[in-house]
Amino acid sequence: QKEVEQNSGPLSVPEGAIASLNCTYSDRVSQSFFWYRQYSGKSPELIMSIYSNGDKEDGRFTAQLNKASQYVSLLIRDSQPSDSATYLCAVKFTGGGNKLTFGTGTQLKVEL
Amino acid sequence: DAGVIQSPRHEVTEMGQEVTLRCKPISGHNSLFWYRQTMMRGLELLIYFNNNVPIDDSGMPEDRFSAKMPNASFSTLKIQPSEPRDSAVYFCASSRSGTDDNEQFFGPGTRLTVL
Repeated sequence: QKEVEQNSGPLSVPEGAIASLNCTYSDRVSQSFFWYRQYSGKSPELIMSIYSNGDKEDGRFTAQLNKASQYVSLLIRDSQPSDSATYLCAVKFTGGGNKLTFGTGTQLKVEL
Repeated sequence: DAGVIQSPRHEVTEMGQEVTLRCKPISGHNSLFWYRQTMMRGLELLIYFNNNVPIDDSGMPEDRFSAKMPNASFSTLKIQPSEPRDSAVYFCASSRSGTDDNEQFFGPGTRLTVL
């Protein structure tokens, strides 16, 4: 069973701090990794993708991938109240065709 | 460019009625995905199509659910007969397969309530 696991939270951080969101997955043979943000009552929105080991930065967001340890993380620098949402990790497993397997999401709350 | 379009946005129906959800993928995308999201089970893939052909329907809960993609710009998800446990938000997503990234983009969803 190929699984993607996330801590459901809520993760509370003060405004301006770094929020760190983590995701582990069960299969070493995985191709692509994605982070989606979902506001309450809205659809998931793609914010980051990463395909190789290391860090990938985009504005205040940094995705980190470690395939040997089977984890992917998302760092949000200078967290803002508007970052408060649920963050979904998704993995495209090799041999799974084009489908993504999603984690259950981590709720982030950025407090004033 | 328009994103993924879904209709209706909200549907309230009574148990036993037929429900049809519609999706128009992003132009140029050749993979289409139907998901269901509930508090209890999270985001679940129901079925996906590549080039209008169903590839994986292992997530379809039972025979009451069916999906079609008659052409590259339209897909339907049908529930017949509907039951209260089908109440959920149904998302359609699309992507361009055959590329390394395969990023999926979601529509706004249809919130289904079965009474």
